[in-house]
Amino acid sequence: DSGVTQTPKHLITATGQRVTLRCSPRSGDLSVYWYQQSLDQGLQFLIQYYNGEERAKGNILERFSAQQFPDLHSELNLSSLELGDSALYFCASSRLAYTDTQYFGPGTRLTVL
Amino acid sequence: GENVGLHLPTLSVQEGDNSIINCAYSNSASDYFIWYKQESGKGPQFIIDIRSNMDKRQGQRVTVLLNKTVKHLSLQIAATQPGDSAVYFCAENGAAGNKLTFGGGTRVLVKP
Repeated sequence: DSGVTQTPKHLITATGQRVTLRCSPRSGDLSVYWYQQSLDQGLQFLIQYYNGEERAKGNILERFSAQQFPDLHSELNLSSLELGDSALYFCASSRLAYTDTQYFGPGTRLTVL
Repeated sequence: GENVGLHLPTLSVQEGDNSIINCAYSNSASDYFIWYKQESGKGPQFIIDIRSNMDKRQGQRVTVLLNKTVKHLSLQIAATQPGDSAVYFCAENGAAGNKLTFGGGTRVLVKP
């Protein structure tokens, strides 16, 4: 158990819908990251927050957005869902904002029908 | 360390033997490297890391080697056990912030 928690574990929804994935970092970690893991693209970095501020952005679609709240938990919002958005979404956390070990949560499996 | 999509090389190893998993990374400016293990249905689990000012680091039953000249990273697992069966990913951190770029992964199958 890494100490990073993610909810829900599974999510099944329809195309065009919007969902919110939630992540709580390890105690003491200020940085939160979101990654997408799909069969054809592997593990891809989406976005990083540090202490409430966006720190780095990766291959995140405009339909996706994230935020980190004052209690340091983070949410990833996915809207106008498409079939291709079906994937595992992982949250990771680290203490520092850079060059620090990232610990991953168990993931949320999103299925878009 | 670029993702290579669906192709997932597989390493079959006899229980008790040593395993070596290789990874070529892409960014010569990367200064931090991590190996993760991912079991089916779980998130990536940290195994060991190494910074660019080192060429070798040892953990419990694992050793990571870094060759910056040829941009190559390897993970050695000593006395491989059935519980080591998983997909192993290398990751590099060469960009601003702490963005990790993952390799495509190697599946390790331990035969009893």
